[in-house]
Amino acid sequence: AQTVTQSQPEMSVQEAETVTLSCTYDTSESDYYLFWYKQPPSRQMILVIRQEAYKQQNATENRFSVNFQKAAKSFSLKISDSQLGDAAMYFCAYRSGSNFGNEKLTFGTGTRLTIIP
Amino acid sequence: EPEVTQTPSHQVTQMGQEVILRCVPISNHLYFYWYRQILGQKVEFLVSFYNNEISEKSEIFDDQFSVERPDGSNFTLKIRSTKLEDSAMYFCASSDFLTGILDTQYFGPGTRLTVL
Repeated sequence: AQTVTQSQPEMSVQEAETVTLSCTYDTSESDYYLFWYKQPPSRQMILVIRQEAYKQQNATENRFSVNFQKAAKSFSLKISDSQLGDAAMYFCAYRSGSNFGNEKLTFGTGTRLTIIP
Repeated sequence: EPEVTQTPSHQVTQMGQEVILRCVPISNHLYFYWYRQILGQKVEFLVSFYNNEISEKSEIFDDQFSVERPDGSNFTLKIRSTKLEDSAMYFCASSDFLTGILDTQYFGPGTRLTVL
């Protein structure tokens, strides 16, 4: 079974600075997807960014980018120019690339990010 | 932008009662999911649903749980006899294709279930 580990329960960063959230995962599969979801105090799950394992290029979405190291099974999220609205719980998630019956998401335990004004 | 909706936002029930949580997935999506998050814990997969049948379910999804797509738009989760430990946030999600660029799961805002 796949596992996702987020070793930083809490992180804080000064507004406008850059922060990196860590995520490692364990899998024997070669085809899979990785995601970062944001959960603000409203508790809604919002997709931040996704990465396909077959792509070597790291995904970027505006101020959000990932450092995907497949051999190391590492998938960190970098937030540049941190804003107050970035304060949330961030979950790393894994999804198998296999067909039908393996499409569930496996989540890590989350990292609570605090933005310091 | 299309979004997943869930009702109610908060449900309070007595232990032993039946509850039905409702979700309206994004209209052109074909795959549907339920997850739950006990307060302070990680999000856990419950069940996935495709073509009017369960694709996969977790060990949490026991005989007390059932899912249904009663019409072309709604997707429901029923808990037959609620227990205190069922208190959690329940998230519905939907996705378009099983693999490929559009396979991302989009989540609804959740239903907070409180069992007294």
